[in-house]
Amino acid sequence: AQTIHQWPVAEIKAVGSPLSLGCTIKGKSSPNLYWYWQATGGTLQQLFYSITVGQVESVVQLNLSASRPKDDQFILSTEKLLLSHSGFYLCAWSLWGSSYEQYFGPGTRLTVL
Amino acid sequence: QQKVQQSPESLSVPEGGMASFNCTSSDRNFQYFWWYRQHSGEGPKALMSIFSDGDKKEGRFTAHLNKASLHVSLHIRDSQPSDSALYFCAASPTGYQNFYFGKGTSLTVIP
Repeated sequence: AQTIHQWPVAEIKAVGSPLSLGCTIKGKSSPNLYWYWQATGGTLQQLFYSITVGQVESVVQLNLSASRPKDDQFILSTEKLLLSHSGFYLCAWSLWGSSYEQYFGPGTRLTVL
Repeated sequence: QQKVQQSPESLSVPEGGMASFNCTSSDRNFQYFWWYRQHSGEGPKALMSIFSDGDKKEGRFTAHLNKASLHVSLHIRDSQPSDSALYFCAASPTGYQNFYFGKGTSLTVIP
């Protein structure tokens, strides 16, 4: 069974429209959660991280916001999309200690027109 | 300024050959380093973590870290066509807050 689920798989949205992307982690207690943005074939830019429910830290300012309403859920949103928001959005989780390696979800492909 | 710089941008090796990737960071606060691999259309998958100076070997993969020179490398021996992917180096000062990824190296293994 897949541990991390992202939705939707893909979105095509108009400039200026709102957006909400979701990520759910199953079977892991109190994971660290992360949002990344990736241009096609490009590097990963970290957007947010959350160590605990209700607390989210912003890493870069891209007119996006994130929330963690439950221990296993991470939401990325904006009220007004820009063309520059197009790309691949990846959610990831890790656990305390050990190797801290991050486990990425399958991603959401966003196209803003 | 990119905090993690990777080289080369792209690499082609014959099947069974050795693929080598390099990564240099500009921040002496980085203590944790990872190598990730991403196949087209998928999320990245962790290959190895390395936090101490020296070599770390896992199967066909060997990572090397030199904290004094802020250099980390990855070597894949006996490369297979399924190893063809985008390889990223990642670094972090704490291991659980901020992460910085390199621009990636595209590997093509030629059968």
